[in-house]
Amino acid sequence: QVQLVQSGAEVKKPGASVKVSCKASGYTFTNYYVHWMRQAPGQGLEWMGIINPSGGSTSYAQMFQGRVTMTRDTSTSTVYMELSSLRSEDTAVYYCARDQGADYVFHYWGQGTLVTVSS
Amino acid sequence: QSALTQPASVSGSPGQSITISCTGTSSDVGSYNLVSWYQQHPGKAPKLMIYDVTKRPSGDPNRFSGSKSGNTASLTISGLQAEDEADYYCCSYAGSSTLIFGGGTKLTVL
Repeated sequence: QVQLVQSGAEVKKPGASVKVSCKASGYTFTNYYVHWMRQAPGQGLEWMGIINPSGGSTSYAQMFQGRVTMTRDTSTSTVYMELSSLRSEDTAVYYCARDQGADYVFHYWGQGTLVTVSS
Repeated sequence: QSALTQPASVSGSPGQSITISCTGTSSDVGSYNLVSWYQQHPGKAPKLMIYDVTKRPSGDPNRFSGSKSGNTASLTISGLQAEDEADYYCCSYAGSSTLIFGGGTKLTVL
C-alpha cells in the first residue's frame, strides 16, 4: 500500500534552516508528483510547492520563493523540503502528500512533521 | 494570492444536510475544474473527500458531493453523522503549477 513516512519533529532557532524528509513506498516513486503543505497551530492549510520526482522539477508558492527548496533522492525514494531563514511564524506541522499523476489532488498524505522555531 | 474564502463554521443536526461554500476568483476556481475538498479531524492528517469538483474517491460514502458555479465551489454533506464533525478545506488549482487552499470551515454536528 502507498505510504509516505516523514521524519521526526524538529526544534530550530530563528534564522536557522530545517530539512524535512518524506520517504515513499508501495508505488513507483518517479511516477507521481509530491506536494508539501504546512499548518500553523490552530490555522488552516498552506500549499508550499510541488516536486516531480522523475526529473526533479519544482514549483513553489510565491510566499515561499527564495526560502524553500524541494529535492528528491530516487535511490531511496525520498523527497526533501528545506526551509531557510526560519522565523517564529514558521512553527507548523509540515505535510507531504502524493497526487495521482499530475492531477494536483492530494490522494495520500504523510503523518506530518512538527517544526518548532523558538529562541 | 489570497486564500479561497470559506465560512468559518457551519453546523447541522444528525440526518440533516449542510453545504460549505468556497469562493475564489476567475484565476483559480472559476478557471479550472480542479477543486478538491479535504476533511481533517483534530491531530490527524487531512483526508481527500472530493476532487475535480464532483468526483469521490472509490469506497468513500456518497453522502459527500461537490459542485461549482462560477467562482464558487460547494461541498454538500447529506445525512449528517457525528463522525462528520471535523474541519473541511477546499483547494483549487491556480495556474502555473500552483495551488491555493481555503481558510477552512469547522463543521459541528449538534
